[in-house]
Amino acid sequence: NAGVTQTPKFRILKIGQSMTLQCAQDMNHNYMYWYRQDPGMGLKLIYYSVGAGITDKGEVPNGYNVSRSTTEDFPLRLELAAPSQTSVYFCASSKLGVGNYGYTFGSGTRLTVV
Amino acid sequence: ELKVEQNPLFLSMQEGKNYTIYCNYSTTSDRLYWYRQDPGKSLESLFVLLSNGAVKQEGRLMASLDTKARLSTLHITAAVHDLSATYFCAADRREGNEKLTFGTGTRLTIIP
Repeated sequence: NAGVTQTPKFRILKIGQSMTLQCAQDMNHNYMYWYRQDPGMGLKLIYYSVGAGITDKGEVPNGYNVSRSTTEDFPLRLELAAPSQTSVYFCASSKLGVGNYGYTFGSGTRLTVV
Repeated sequence: ELKVEQNPLFLSMQEGKNYTIYCNYSTTSDRLYWYRQDPGKSLESLFVLLSNGAVKQEGRLMASLDTKARLSTLHITAAVHDLSATYFCAADRREGNEKLTFGTGTRLTIIP
């Protein structure tokens, strides 16, 4: 199993450009998440999804959009990139429910906005 | 809103010494997690603590949970250089929309 796969691993954007960070999981997990990690800081939740077609905002959603059309995929869209969005982005998934716990993290996407 | 705090933020210790990282959380939490992160890498799961009094050990690391005090600890015994990393605690709740809330992390440096 591949687990949680994020693409790309690195990206440099110019201010005002847009891009989509891809996240896919092959574990049939119902929950998926996007976090950002600024240098020397903890992870902050951007958006999450409890299943296909259902998404909700996390702590820092401004400047981002998400969709979840399938169980496997949870892309994160950046519109009008700003330097403040320079960060490492981690996607995670979990099969939460009765007796289930634990999260699987992707390897991250390092984004620089210049 | 669940909040998670760790201390210290930075820890520099000599090899062979013992030390403890503390993790406090603000409201009732069902599960407490500890992760390790090496520079430029993703998160590695270390421990999941599910109930009051839970204690788990792996090598030189031992984690415990006191749900009444809303406190978890990560104890390092006889530190070695390979343990140098950033350690995060995180918590979530079973009911409602489960999502993992992270502490700010403790950057641990082991000095030979």
